[in-house]
Amino acid sequence: DIVMTQSPDSLAVSLGERATIKCKSSQSLLYASNNRNNLAWYQHKPGQPPKLLIYWASTRESGVPARFAGSGSGTEFTLTINSLQAEDVALYYCQQYFNTPPTFGGGTKVEI
Amino acid sequence: QVQLVQSGAEVKKPGSSVKVSCKASEGGFTTQAITWVRQAPGQGLEWMGGIIPIFGTANYAQKFQGRVTITADTSTTTAFMELSSLRADDTAIYYCARERQAGFAILSSWGHGTLVTVSS
Repeated sequence: DIVMTQSPDSLAVSLGERATIKCKSSQSLLYASNNRNNLAWYQHKPGQPPKLLIYWASTRESGVPARFAGSGSGTEFTLTINSLQAEDVALYYCQQYFNTPPTFGGGTKVEI
Repeated sequence: QVQLVQSGAEVKKPGSSVKVSCKASEGGFTTQAITWVRQAPGQGLEWMGGIIPIFGTANYAQKFQGRVTITADTSTTTAFMELSSLRADDTAIYYCARERQAGFAILSSWGHGTLVTVSS
């Protein structure tokens, strides 16, 4: 199975500042047939299901605010939340869908 | 976007089985797989398996092989996840989710989750 490692485990960011979350995979997630990285990011708030934010490493899901940005390629990826808002307090997970089983990172807790 | 409605919370004894349902709204059963993901207390997200409803083909995480069965009823657009030989560490919230694009586990639609508590 592909191992996904996120860092940090948690971070505290002031309102309006930037939050940066890293994700490393144990093997490349670059899908040769379309030259895209099979990496997604989810936001998970207590009492709610996870919400898809980003897929193909950098494509924002419909309705996701532009302050959420995904980048990276191969084995190293980043989720950046620009100008953090109060409603962004949540757990964030990366997930690879290059191989079955899909695997998630351990999560990063973002606090104000 | 498809809506997924899951069955209610369950309390089960160790050694018993639980069957959780996930009903998809109109048009929700296509070639896009329905997958099951769980989150135990204080733990992260864990993929259990999935099914392509119109084909009925399921695959499972090795960890759950032999204990989990995922099925789908196309007549009612409902998917099911049955977990047997329950243990205390199976206590978790169980989510169903649908792929955004067939063949890629980009999970864009999620059920609200079903809490399963295993306790004697």
